[in-house]
Amino acid sequence: DAGVIQSPRHEVTEMGQEVTLRCKPISGHDYLFWYRQTMMRGLELLIYFNNNVPIDDSGMPEDRFSAKMPNASFSTLKIQPSEPRDSAVYFCASSLMGQGDTEAFFGQGTRLTVV
Amino acid sequence: GENVEQHPSTLSVQEGDSAVIKCTYSDSASNYFPWYKQELGKGPQLIIDIRSNVGEKKDQRIAVTLNKTAKHFSLHITETQPEDSAVYFCAGDTGRRALTFGSGTRLQVQP
Repeated sequence: DAGVIQSPRHEVTEMGQEVTLRCKPISGHDYLFWYRQTMMRGLELLIYFNNNVPIDDSGMPEDRFSAKMPNASFSTLKIQPSEPRDSAVYFCASSLMGQGDTEAFFGQGTRLTVV
Repeated sequence: GENVEQHPSTLSVQEGDSAVIKCTYSDSASNYFPWYKQELGKGPQLIIDIRSNVGEKKDQRIAVTLNKTAKHFSLHITETQPEDSAVYFCAGDTGRRALTFGSGTRLQVQP
């Protein structure tokens, strides 16, 4: 398996624009996680899914952020409208079971810059 | 919820020396403590983990110790090499199926 695949690797957008980040988890993994990494706040969990169903979205910063998982092999994280403070590296991770039971595999991340 | 604190934030050692990174956690219900290594431009990768029914675990040059009474756990790297240079994260889980990460330690191994 190629691992967790994220696209794009880099995204530069203007404030107010819509941004969509994409993730393809490892085949067979039932859990998918979205994290945001910044210098100030470290690695923050935004939301996670189990069998395509959102389980915990308490980490989503505000209504401008939304995430979907239409099927087992694809998830999106959307920011609309984007703001400069959204600039960060966004990671997607997947695991066979929950992160307390099995290893979580991270993608390479998407570096988002909002100017 | 779980709160994981990690220190030091940066650590510089000479090649061949040992490195120790420490973490504390707040939730006594936590029972799984992994360590992740993040190299530049990459996502975090699991290097070792420990469960609450074990006090120590070792894998070649890396080891993790856990003190449940004091609620702290540590990563030990012996005979450090330049390729050990990276950011290391500890994490804790309380059974909610997702991890809470520490703030990270940037380890620099000087050749």
